[in-house]
Order: sequence, then structure tokens, then C-alpha cells
Amino acid sequence: DQQVKQNSPSLSVQEGRISILNCDYTNSMFDYFLWYKKYPAEGPTFLISISSIKDKNEDGRFTVFLNKSAKHLSLHIVPSQPGDSAVYFCAASVSGDYKLSFGAGTTVTVRA
Amino acid sequence: GAVVSQHPSRVICKSGTSVKIECRSLDFQATTMFWYRQFPKQSLMLMATSNEGSKATYEQGVEKDKFLINHASLTLSTLTVTSAHPEDSSFYICSAPLLAGGLETQYFGPGTRLLVL
Repeated sequence: DQQVKQNSPSLSVQEGRISILNCDYTNSMFDYFLWYKKYPAEGPTFLISISSIKDKNEDGRFTVFLNKSAKHLSLHIVPSQPGDSAVYFCAASVSGDYKLSFGAGTTVTVRA
Repeated sequence: GAVVSQHPSRVICKSGTSVKIECRSLDFQATTMFWYRQFPKQSLMLMATSNEGSKATYEQGVEKDKFLINHASLTLSTLTVTSAHPEDSSFYICSAPLLAGGLETQYFGPGTRLLVL
């Protein structure tokens, strides 16, 4: 049973424009959410996280928004750069549990 | 961020042999580490939780006798794929959590590509 869902398998965006990646979850116990970036044949790299006590967290070009009532979060990348082309995974956990549930990933391609 | 290493990065072995993969947290201690596997174009699937000083906890459907886990120290966990078969070919990734600012973040190793012939 997939508790974290990324319904868009791919996204193509022009360099300099905004990339918006979406993630939905079903487990209301989740209270900590993370985004990871992954290149082929490499481990995921932590990008940004958000706790359920917040609805927005920003770090440079990356902003994560959380809508608890809708059980939805999104990652905004602006401006998008060619180096951002990768697979992005949304993950969720219950604080103190450490175990992560991952979405299926969204492949982002930034066009020059 | 925190650094987690894995060794080897790539291994090719014959069917029936055993393969050991090491996961190390380089600049922090981890009483718990996690092992994932990823099949092509799929998400990361948690296999087991490695606990320092006690037995590993396996996810449903993962054979504990097939995938032996030993958490030898606060910075090292090993995954041994015993009697490997071609269907065990996959990308294995470990992670270790680091608690900072009251929030825990999982840091991942670079992964190990296993090919069983």
C-alpha cells in the first residue's frame, strides 16, 4: 500500500523557469517530510525537509509547501537549472521512527 | 551534510555465492541504519532496520536468512546477500539518521550495484 504518492512520473521545464513537484500522502500520522534528489546509480541526496508544525520551508532555490488538511506537499525549484535534472523523491516519516516511506519519484528534465 | 559511505560500489558475482556490503557513517554515530533496494525505474523499498547491539528488524516479505544484517559498531552496518541469485540483482542503498535541531534526517550512502550472473 503506497502511503506516499508522486503522481507525475516526469516533468520537463525550461531553464530559468519554476519546477513544481507534487506529493500526496495518506497516512495522517506522518509529521515530517523530506525531498531527495537522485542521480542514476547514486544514493539520494537530501534537499530540504519540513515539519508538520510549519507550512513552508525555504532554502535557496528550493521551497517546500505543506498542506496538512489536503495531505499534500510540493517542492518548488526556482529558477530551474540544467544541473537540477534528476529524479526527485518525496519521503515521509513519523517523528522518532526514522523509517521513511518514499514516493515513486518524479524525473525532472531542465531544458536549456 | 553528514556523510555515509558504502563499499563496494559495484559487485558482480556468480549465482550461489555470498556478497557483503558495508555501510559506514563517516562523521557521526548511528545506532540505527536502514537498508533499501531499488529496482530500475522504481522507488526505494525499505528492506530492514539495522540496530546496533541487537537484531535487525525486517520488513514484510524480506527473508532474514537471505539478507543477513550485522550492526557491528556505531558507525558500521553490513548487509550480506547469501546464496545470491540473479533475481537479487539490484541497487542496494543504506542510510543513517542524524538528529539535528530536533529533527531527524536520513543521509544515504552512494549505493551498491549488485549483479548476479
